[in-house]
Amino acid sequence: KQEVTQIPAALSVPEGENLVLNCSFTDSAIYNLQWFRQDPGKGLTSLLLIQSSQREQTSGRLNASLDKSSGRSTLYIAASQPGDSATYLCAGLGTYKYIFGTGTRLKVLA
Amino acid sequence: EAEVAQSPRYKITEKSQAVAFWCDPISGHATLYWYRQILGQGPELLVQFQDESVVDDSQLPKDRFSAERLKGVDSTLKIQPAELGDSAMYLCASSLGLRGRPTFEAFFGQGTRLTVV
Repeated sequence: KQEVTQIPAALSVPEGENLVLNCSFTDSAIYNLQWFRQDPGKGLTSLLLIQSSQREQTSGRLNASLDKSSGRSTLYIAASQPGDSATYLCAGLGTYKYIFGTGTRLKVLA
Repeated sequence: EAEVAQSPRYKITEKSQAVAFWCDPISGHATLYWYRQILGQGPELLVQFQDESVVDDSQLPKDRFSAERLKGVDSTLKIQPAELGDSAMYLCASSLGLRGRPTFEAFFGQGTRLTVV
């Protein structure tokens, strides 16, 4: 059974710092890994999708990598801003469904 | 830009009452998901449709929850009777998804926040 773990559970950093969020999964038989952002009381916004044939994806200040052999994915945020404050969720995409981690709550201090 | 539409955004109901949520996926998306997210936790899959067929409802409490996608487009999730523990965010998502193949990127709606009192 696929399990997804995110570390740390919460993170508070000063504005401008580069930071890394971690996601680990138990079953390497995943096809894709997707990172989402969730603001309080809102739905999920897709940030990056890494397909199984890829090792990383970049969008602006965000970079996500995937290492299926070790069961890990990381989300790198460069030059963090207060507007980046949110919960970040990763999800492993199996044959038919997504399994989510519990998220990392990020707070970027001005 | 195409979006997944959900309604209502917020719902307060008394326990033992019936409640229903509606979802309209992005046009052309064959796969539709209903997730439940309890505060502070990650979303948990309740039911997944491929077109009008249920692919996975193993985590759906079938004694009180039901879901349908009659024409393979929009979907309704119903709870009857509602219990206090059902208070959560109910999220709908859709993806292109092809049976037997890796699913594609998922897009989520804004969710319905349910409070049972």
